[in-house]
Amino acid sequence: GPKVLQIPSHQIIDMGQMVTLNCDPVSNHLYFYWYKQILGQQMEFLVNFYNGKVMEKSKLFKDQFSVERPDGSYFTLKIQPTALEDSAVYFCASRRTGGGYEQYFGPGTRLTVL
Amino acid sequence: SQWGEENLQALSIQEGEDVTMNCSYKTYTTVVHWYRQDSGRGPALIILIRSNEREKRSGRLRATLDTSSQSSSLSITAAQCEDTAVYFCATDANRIFFGDGTQLVVKP
Repeated sequence: GPKVLQIPSHQIIDMGQMVTLNCDPVSNHLYFYWYKQILGQQMEFLVNFYNGKVMEKSKLFKDQFSVERPDGSYFTLKIQPTALEDSAVYFCASRRTGGGYEQYFGPGTRLTVL
Repeated sequence: SQWGEENLQALSIQEGEDVTMNCSYKTYTTVVHWYRQDSGRGPALIILIRSNEREKRSGRLRATLDTSSQSSSLSITAAQCEDTAVYFCATDANRIFFGDGTQLVVKP
């Protein structure tokens, strides 16, 4: 089936540094999402993105977070600066436009902030 | 919170048994998704049931939805070892709200 790729699979950085998580969505999808999952907890919505704009974001999407998809390349989540509480697995998802609601998820990027 | 009662945290059954997982939600939704998440992987949609459907089947899976009680269930018939995963129910089409999930372990 359609696959969403995420790069890297694991990132370790020091608190205060910048990190960019990359997502390669399904090729004909136009809606993109980021979710955050802390170990042992439920997955939580961060943001969705369509037509070059953030459509909706949750309170977890702090000012230090930003998303973009320049020129149809990777859909990215940037955190600058990072904090300890940003340690989690971040999942990217995408879906097509139209009536289908299914979101396809990537395998996640495990971010460890030291 | 989006959720009312939490899902059971863990279920362990023998291969061949049937199992049902339940969830309830607090806010209005037109669709309930059931996802499974295998270790080290992202969630994958396994069945989706809309508010105009009371029951939906897909292979050994059966989902029900009761909009009056805002609850949904997922049943797996004759569970197999490969059904071992975490199962989430989720609501809303666009910004998915996930429940806590149920860790299902199917033993041979």
